[in-house]
Amino acid sequence: EAQVTQNPRYLITVTGKKLTVTCSQNMNHEYMSWYRQDPGLGLRQIYYSMNVEVTDKGDVPEGYKVSRKEKRNFPLILESPSPNQTSLYFCASGPGSNSNTQYFGPGTRLTVL
Amino acid sequence: AQSVAQPEDQVNVAEGNPLTVKCTYSVSGNPYLFWYVQYPNRGLQFLLKYITGDNLVKGSYGFEAEFNKSQTSFHLKKPSALVSDSALYFCAVRDRDNYGQNFVFGPGTRLSVLP
Repeated sequence: EAQVTQNPRYLITVTGKKLTVTCSQNMNHEYMSWYRQDPGLGLRQIYYSMNVEVTDKGDVPEGYKVSRKEKRNFPLILESPSPNQTSLYFCASGPGSNSNTQYFGPGTRLTVL
Repeated sequence: AQSVAQPEDQVNVAEGNPLTVKCTYSVSGNPYLFWYVQYPNRGLQFLLKYITGDNLVKGSYGFEAEFNKSQTSFHLKKPSALVSDSALYFCAVRDRDNYGQNFVFGPGTRLSVLP
């Protein structure tokens, strides 16, 4: 089944404790992206990647890191999480064109205490 | 810079009535426009997109959207609403003339279809 998977789905952590949220897609998509969803703000793009070893900042990259060493994986790293990073995070992927449709993962609900 | 506005936080409509969810956008070049839907506790699902050509775009589940360049709008419509259409709807834009530009989503509109 074609899908985008994220792990973990739920995570409660404490301020300053490094964490990684994994994202994997099995559709051979070039494009991958991370979003956070907050009430009243919709989805805001954190980082995106047009292909392996190519990453770019989205609208809200502060406090986050990403890497794209393999085509299928696009992990989101919070080196020192803070409470304002409590949010619902979505990973998405899409085929390699500018008009691509994005396919979203199920989401990761992160709480930073 | 790109931006998307969805002027209504909430839209209520009776089952069987037509529905419209509004979206206006701003982009420096020409737009690619998208509508996504989010059901409770789920990720976003693609509904439809405008790339080029006909201004009226038909998508999944009987939804359609009309691209209006002069009004920079891309309103989502359905002739007859179903209770199962109740969900959160997001409009998104990408700049066609700047390859590599990121996607920008609107804040979302919650649609409630009342039986």
